[in-house]
Amino acid sequence: ETGVTQTPRHLVMGMTNKKSLKCEQHLGHNAMYWYKQSAKKPLELMFVYSLEERVENNSVPSRFSPECPNSSHLFLHLHTLQPEDSALYLCASSQDGKPYSTGETQYFGPGTRLLVL
Amino acid sequence: GNSVTQMEGPVTLSEEAFLTINCTYTATGYPSLFWYVQYPGEGLQLLLKATKADDKGSNKGFEATYRKETTSFHLEKGSVQVSDSAVYFCALSDPDSGAGSYQLTFGKGTKLSVIP
Repeated sequence: ETGVTQTPRHLVMGMTNKKSLKCEQHLGHNAMYWYKQSAKKPLELMFVYSLEERVENNSVPSRFSPECPNSSHLFLHLHTLQPEDSALYLCASSQDGKPYSTGETQYFGPGTRLLVL
Repeated sequence: GNSVTQMEGPVTLSEEAFLTINCTYTATGYPSLFWYVQYPGEGLQLLLKATKADDKGSNKGFEATYRKETTSFHLEKGSVQVSDSAVYFCALSDPDSGAGSYQLTFGKGTKLSVIP
């Protein structure tokens, strides 16, 4: 049973739409992550928040906009997406997310399957 | 930079067969190594991990040993079951990379199908 939930589980949107993905963790963790999972490609880290501050942004296009209002919630706001943005978007959390710590486990949600038409 | 290479799938095995999924890595420092599993329609779950050389991670009959000399972390199971059908991801976190535990570097995943 996962302590990380994501909504919606499936989303279809047009290129001119604006939508948001939501992630909630019930584990008391301090760090949260957004990943993109595309077919036949490794998971791509998009954003990292530690104690509600963004600490990593791996050159993600501005049409993806994250928001972390508190340590339990993470959003990914989407606007004017492209068909190549269709993918599974995974949220994860970890206990501390401190830099230079090692072996820390990330716990993943079930993902949102996004299709951009 | 860091990278993880794992064997291409899909892998199809009969129930009770022996499983090996190869994983090798490149890292700048002394990484921690992980195997994650993704069952159909679900997110990733940690299967096992090892944080230093010669450590063996184990869980649910799966094992992997951190081999620094060969930079490998191969996943093994002696007798697979249909319920083991999933995609398996090898990953590393390297605190010396500057990104700390934030940055999990994943392999592309290996799909395993176990048939009765």
